[in-house]
Amino acid sequence: ETGVTQTPRHLVMGMTNKKSLKCEQHLGHNAMYWYKQSAKKPLELMFVYSLEERVENNSVPSRFSPECPNSSHLFLHLHTLQPEDSALYLCASSQEVAGVYEQYFGPGTRLTVT
Amino acid sequence: GDSVTQMEGPVTLSEEAFLTINCTYTATGYPSLFWYVQYPGEGLQLLLKATKADDKGSNKGFEATYRKETTSFHLEKGSVQVSDSAVYFCALSYYGNNRLAFGKGNQVVVIP
Repeated sequence: ETGVTQTPRHLVMGMTNKKSLKCEQHLGHNAMYWYKQSAKKPLELMFVYSLEERVENNSVPSRFSPECPNSSHLFLHLHTLQPEDSALYLCASSQEVAGVYEQYFGPGTRLTVT
Repeated sequence: GDSVTQMEGPVTLSEEAFLTINCTYTATGYPSLFWYVQYPGEGLQLLLKATKADDKGSNKGFEATYRKETTSFHLEKGSVQVSDSAVYFCALSYYGNNRLAFGKGNQVVVIP
């Protein structure tokens, strides 16, 4: 248990559906992240929120829409996804300690787009 | 740009064998270095870290030494167990920067 929870753990959705992934951190951190992990590809950073403001968006398609209502919660809203979006979506949080940010990851949501 | 390179391919070894996973980095400054582990069906967990040259990070029998002269941070364990079967990621970040650059990861399979 890392202090970062994600729901749901598994999600199957059609290409026309709208769904949301939820992440919650119980660590008092002030930065949160979304990553995409696909088979045989490097871990991809999608979005970074620092103090609830989005500070990075790595050319992610608009069918992925993040939301960070407060420092403990992070959402990823999904709509009109493609089969190639099937992957493990990981949430992480971090806090600076002596200039070093240690990221703590949730268990991920396994997304399958049919 | 900054990058982390891990050796290609999965690593398969027998229980109680010695494990080494190579990690080298390319960076313009002096980054902090990390090893993360991902057990089956789980997210990544921080295994160990080192923040300056010659520092040794250690945890759960794993060790890695920050070698500035060879820009390396190789992970070692003297005697692996089946429970060490996982994917291991090397990563770097800079002082005051909350971004991590990850290597591609190495699948480690320990056979009884």
